[in-house]
Amino acid sequence: RKEVEQDPGPFNVPEGATVAFNCTYSNSASQSFFWYRQDCRKEPKLLMSVYSSGNEDGRFTAQLNRASQYISLLIRDSKLSDSATYLCVVNKAGGFKTIFGAGTRLFVKA
Amino acid sequence: DTEVTQTPKHLVMGMTNKKSLKCEQHMGHRAMYWYKQKAKKPPELMFVYSYEKLSINESVPSRFSPECPNSSLLNLHLHALQPEDSALYLCASSPLGQANTEAFFGQGTRLTVV
Repeated sequence: RKEVEQDPGPFNVPEGATVAFNCTYSNSASQSFFWYRQDCRKEPKLLMSVYSSGNEDGRFTAQLNRASQYISLLIRDSKLSDSATYLCVVNKAGGFKTIFGAGTRLFVKA
Repeated sequence: DTEVTQTPKHLVMGMTNKKSLKCEQHMGHRAMYWYKQKAKKPPELMFVYSYEKLSINESVPSRFSPECPNSSLLNLHLHALQPEDSALYLCASSPLGQANTEAFFGQGTRLTVV
């Protein structure tokens, strides 16, 4: 079993749609959690950190469920510019070992 | 300065060549990383340095040799690579000792081994 697993995708959605990505992690000792966005042939960039209390940044909402070892990302009112690969990222204890999920590709179409 | 700078951006090398990738950050981060990313795959961790000491080596072949000369610089020395080593090599850095700290990535070096 992979340490971090994501929805396989790709997701093809129209502009304005709401889309949700899910991610599960296997190591209960994992300490910190993030969603990164990666555009084609570019480096990954932090989208948002994920906290147990849930957090929101504009159209983006992230949730963490430690009991179920589950992370989610919700994108509301999708824009064309949201088209990218979304990577679920988990840091193990100590923060050194960052594990990436395989990524979920999102295509937003007009 | 919130950047991680990598050079060169592109590199083509033969299987007998020796080359080096360079990474620099001036954010005071004491953890630095090398990742390898193949097309349509996520980044895979190769090495982690903390306080200029090698903390993690993810069983990387010895033809890849990391070096951390000081707290701002990270190098990856390449020798006798294979065509399957062609990939995007990403450097990242992060602070140590803080909860929920994300890694900042450089733009990567796109390596082609011929």
